[in-house]
Amino acid sequence: SQKIEQNSEALNIQEGKTATLTCNYTNYSPAYLQWYRQDPGRGPVFLLLIRENEKEKRKERLKVTFDTTLKQSLFHITASQPADSATYLCALSLSGNTPLVFGKGTRLSVIA
Amino acid sequence: SQTIHQWPATLVQPVGSPLSLECTVEGTSNPNLYWYRQAAGRGLQLLFYSVGIGQISSEVPQNLSASRPQDRQFILSSKKLLLSDSGFYLCAWKPPGMNTEAFFGQGTRLTVV
Repeated sequence: SQKIEQNSEALNIQEGKTATLTCNYTNYSPAYLQWYRQDPGRGPVFLLLIRENEKEKRKERLKVTFDTTLKQSLFHITASQPADSATYLCALSLSGNTPLVFGKGTRLSVIA
Repeated sequence: SQTIHQWPATLVQPVGSPLSLECTVEGTSNPNLYWYRQAAGRGLQLLFYSVGIGQISSEVPQNLSASRPQDRQFILSSKKLLLSDSGFYLCAWKPPGMNTEAFFGQGTRLTVV
């Protein structure tokens, strides 16, 4: 069956360090992969999208990699800040009209 | 610009009562629409999606139903709520046929008592 796994349910890191979150998937061949941020009691907010033919995408302090051979995406936040504390979700889609399927998320806590 | 409205923000309903959650999108045409549910400590579970008026795909068999009476309106319903229906319900939209992000509403926290 198809699965998306975000390895860590929770991750604590020190302010200023780089946070690395992992998303693995099985039995999918996604056209693209996305990362979202979700704060408590709010809907997810889109952060980054990476396509199957792209290896890496950057946006300010965020970086996403996509390895279709390993079936894995890594999400990095450099110079992390307490304001980065939130749950981060990865999501896959096979095409533009198929729904996004989400992992369970990783709750990141950045400690000052 | 496009906006998505979802209401109410919170709802407490007794077991066996009906449910109607409404979601509307403004500023776009023919969006793909989605209902997700997020139980405490769990990920987003896709419940229904729609690519057009009257077209509903159900992902999880349950006592919920969805309807799309107008292009930018998506409604989640139940005739009789169960305790297990408690959760955080999220409506989302995405431009049709495009590999782009989804935009989420603020969510409805439903507690069935």
